[in-house]
Amino acid sequence: EAGVAQSPRYKIIEKRQSVAFWCNPISGHATLYWYQQILGQGPKLLIQFQNNGVVDDSQLPKDRFSAERLKGVDSTLKIQPAKLEDSAVYLCASSLTGQANSPLHFGNGTRLTVT
Amino acid sequence: GNSVTQMEGPVTLSEEAFLTINCTYTATGYPSLFWYVQYPGEGLQLLLKATKADDKGSNKGFEATYRKETTSFHLEKGSVQVSDSAVYFCALRNDYKLSFGAGTTVTVRA
Repeated sequence: EAGVAQSPRYKIIEKRQSVAFWCNPISGHATLYWYQQILGQGPKLLIQFQNNGVVDDSQLPKDRFSAERLKGVDSTLKIQPAKLEDSAVYLCASSLTGQANSPLHFGNGTRLTVT
Repeated sequence: GNSVTQMEGPVTLSEEAFLTINCTYTATGYPSLFWYVQYPGEGLQLLLKATKADDKGSNKGFEATYRKETTSFHLEKGSVQVSDSAVYFCALRNDYKLSFGAGTTVTVRA
């Protein structure tokens, strides 16, 4: 089966600019996640969707980050305006269900550098 | 709340050595436990999982046993190869949320 697709693979922007990331989950996966992975740390959940509804966005900095999953398939994550501390790898993942025993499948991520 | 603590790296080993990466967790209820691996330049991949106490997950020669009494899920491999060089993440899933440890970097030298 095709894996989770993300684009772009790399992005370099200046602070205060905006940026958007795209994710296409595995076909049939109802649950989609965006994680932020800062260098040397484990991934941190930003937002989780179940179909096109938000399940958890408690750690999403809503003053600058937004995400949507129209039609319950593809998703976009946007940062506006970007800060230096947003430099990280942004990982998208999907799972068949939101249940605890349903493993997450990750994309290769988008590496964002904010200068 | 849920949290995962794994041994700090980096860990450097010679080929055919025995590898152990310790992982302990704090959680309410009955979480599922996972090990993910991130090879250089690649995304996170599921390595193995265990969904209930005393389950043993295994894959690619790696094993980990879900120990509820010690709240642990240590990763082991009897004979590592250079190709096992990667960052290993222990993770816990409770309800819907997957929480990761900080990761352990493993380097295997020929």
